[in-house]
Amino acid sequence: AQSVTQPDIHITVSEGASLELRCNYSYGATPYLFWYVQSPGQGLQLLLKYFSGDTLVQGIKGFEAEFKRSQSSFNLRKPSVHWSDAAEYFCAVGSTSGTYKYIFGTGTRLKVLA
Amino acid sequence: DSGVTQTPKHLITATGQRVTLRCSPRSGDLSVYWYQQSLDQGLQFLIQYYNGEERAKGNILERFSAQQFPDLHSELNLSSLELGDSALYFCASSVAGGPVDTQYFGPGTRLTVL
Repeated sequence: AQSVTQPDIHITVSEGASLELRCNYSYGATPYLFWYVQSPGQGLQLLLKYFSGDTLVQGIKGFEAEFKRSQSSFNLRKPSVHWSDAAEYFCAVGSTSGTYKYIFGTGTRLKVLA
Repeated sequence: DSGVTQTPKHLITATGQRVTLRCSPRSGDLSVYWYQQSLDQGLQFLIQYYNGEERAKGNILERFSAQQFPDLHSELNLSSLELGDSALYFCASSVAGGPVDTQYFGPGTRLTVL
């Protein structure tokens, strides 16, 4: 069965430090992969997505993610974190097995220290 | 602001009752998705509609139903409510409902069942 794992429930980084949020997926074919961000009291906003082509994907707000098929991973990175990046981040896979549906990871809550 | 509107913002009701959540998609978007976000279950995809027709079904309970109307707004009906149905319910919309479409999320409806 398709699944998405975000192994880190909470991550704390200092402002200006680099960030990497991990995402591993289980899916038989080439997956459609997404990263979303949810700020407190808000809905989700798409940061970036991957479905084919270049395995390094650029997104909004200075984020990027790299698809690594051999590791079944799609980790999100940012070279320098800003205080406004504090939020919850969700990795998702789009499944085309049967009827199409989205499977979200459990999320990683990012705290940024000033 | 994503352009997706959801009403009401908050809803408090009692067990056994029935409620209706409403969603208006972004102008031009034909597809609507419903999600449930709770502390114990995380973010769960419930159901997707495209231009009035059901396209995909996720972890939606039989007590729940949805529809998309000719003007493309959608309603999620929750009946025989239980305490465990307390959650944040999100609606999202996309242009064509395809696997790589960007989904735009509304601000959510917070349902509290007492």
